[in-house]
Amino acid sequence: NAGVMQNPRHLVRRRGQEARLRCSPMKGHSHVYWYRQLPEEGLKFMVYLQKENIIDESGMPKERFSAEFPKEGPSILRIQQVVRGDSAAYFCASSPPSRGRSSDTEAFFGQGTRLTVV
Amino acid sequence: KQEVTQIPAALSVPEGENLVLNCSFTDSAIYNLQWFRQDPGKGLTSLLLIQSSQREQTSGRLNASLDKSSGRSTLYIAASQPGDSATYLCAVIVYNTDKLIFGTGTRLQVFP
Repeated sequence: NAGVMQNPRHLVRRRGQEARLRCSPMKGHSHVYWYRQLPEEGLKFMVYLQKENIIDESGMPKERFSAEFPKEGPSILRIQQVVRGDSAAYFCASSPPSRGRSSDTEAFFGQGTRLTVV
Repeated sequence: KQEVTQIPAALSVPEGENLVLNCSFTDSAIYNLQWFRQDPGKGLTSLLLIQSSQREQTSGRLNASLDKSSGRSTLYIAASQPGDSATYLCAVIVYNTDKLIFGTGTRLQVFP
């Protein structure tokens, strides 16, 4: 089991460009979560997805940010028209299907994508 | 609204000391609590998961306890080593959500 795979590991974009971050969950996991870690800050929840569904996007900025988890392929976090303030580490986590939100459900994280906007 | 706080924010100790890292949360209605380790520029490694019905979990030199009623968890690191130097994060999953709420982290440095 390869674990949660994120790519690219590092991404540099100029202001106004689009950034696409990819996350492949662990085998057998159908839940994906995206978190953002700003410099010198903690991890903040952005969005929770299941296959083809957005379950909770309460942490997503209202504009320019979108996420998807298609039936086939990785989950994508897309940031349009990036600004300097988008520079951060973006982490993806996955977990197996919840059995009524079991208390033993453990989340596993990828290595993150470090986005730098110049 | 769930808030998770960790103290101390930073800790620097000589090798061999036993350490206690603290985590507190404001809403006791949680499914579980996880402790993670994050190395500089790297991702998160899960260390221990404590279910809401459990009081503690152990893995090697690590022991984590959970007191739901008081909203507190502690991570105990025995016989610390320089390789333990990292940021330690605690996170909880609140009832009726599936998202982890993270604490602010404790940055640990163990020097030889």
